[in-house]
Amino acid sequence: DTGVSQNPRHKITKRGQNVTFRCDPISEHNRLYWYRQTLGQGPEFLTYFQNEAQLEKSRLLSDRFSAERPKGSFSTLEIQRTEQGDSAMYLCASSVTGGGNTIYFGEGSWLTVV
Amino acid sequence: DAKTTQPPSMDCAEGRAANLPCNHSTISGNEYVYWYRQIHSQGPQYIIHGLKNNETNEMASLIITEDRKSSTLILPHATLRDTAVYYCIVRAPGGSGGYNKLIFGAGTRLAVHP
Repeated sequence: DTGVSQNPRHKITKRGQNVTFRCDPISEHNRLYWYRQTLGQGPEFLTYFQNEAQLEKSRLLSDRFSAERPKGSFSTLEIQRTEQGDSAMYLCASSVTGGGNTIYFGEGSWLTVV
Repeated sequence: DAKTTQPPSMDCAEGRAANLPCNHSTISGNEYVYWYRQIHSQGPQYIIHGLKNNETNEMASLIITEDRKSSTLILPHATLRDTAVYYCIVRAPGGSGGYNKLIFGAGTRLAVHP
């Protein structure tokens, strides 16, 4: 499978715990995006990387959230001290630079905070 | 990015063409029209995009009006598996010097029935 890969697909955690999601983009895609989606809503942009540089962060990305892409390949999204309002699907997407640059999404990671 | 307006829901009989409209009256000259769909509990799937001319691929056709203020996504022979939320998004090209994230609205919930 050469698509965007996300792990884990499902995570249930207790309030106050930390969770980390991993995203492996399509090979040679240097742009990587994280989105969040709650039930009944469209995906909302969280942050964007070009190679290892994080170039934009949404106001939705509170200080409990941190995203990294240390070598410009895979990325991690960590949520510290989870709250029930963090329950959502976290989507990763990737694209190339330049013309077209269609964005392709992974299957998402579902987070339930209990 | 320009905003889009889509009907919240539509129905279609299996085997018939599904025509999903989208209004984007404030679209700029260099902005593309993208369509994605999201089947329940999955990540958004890229369908098609266009600038001025009509486009067709193995999934769908995209008809853009001459003034570019609206477009229609056509699924020529809808099947039950086409039941999904369809998002119409207007997006400027990224190019080598910049990028443009996708901004999702609420989309159109298409229900294909037997």
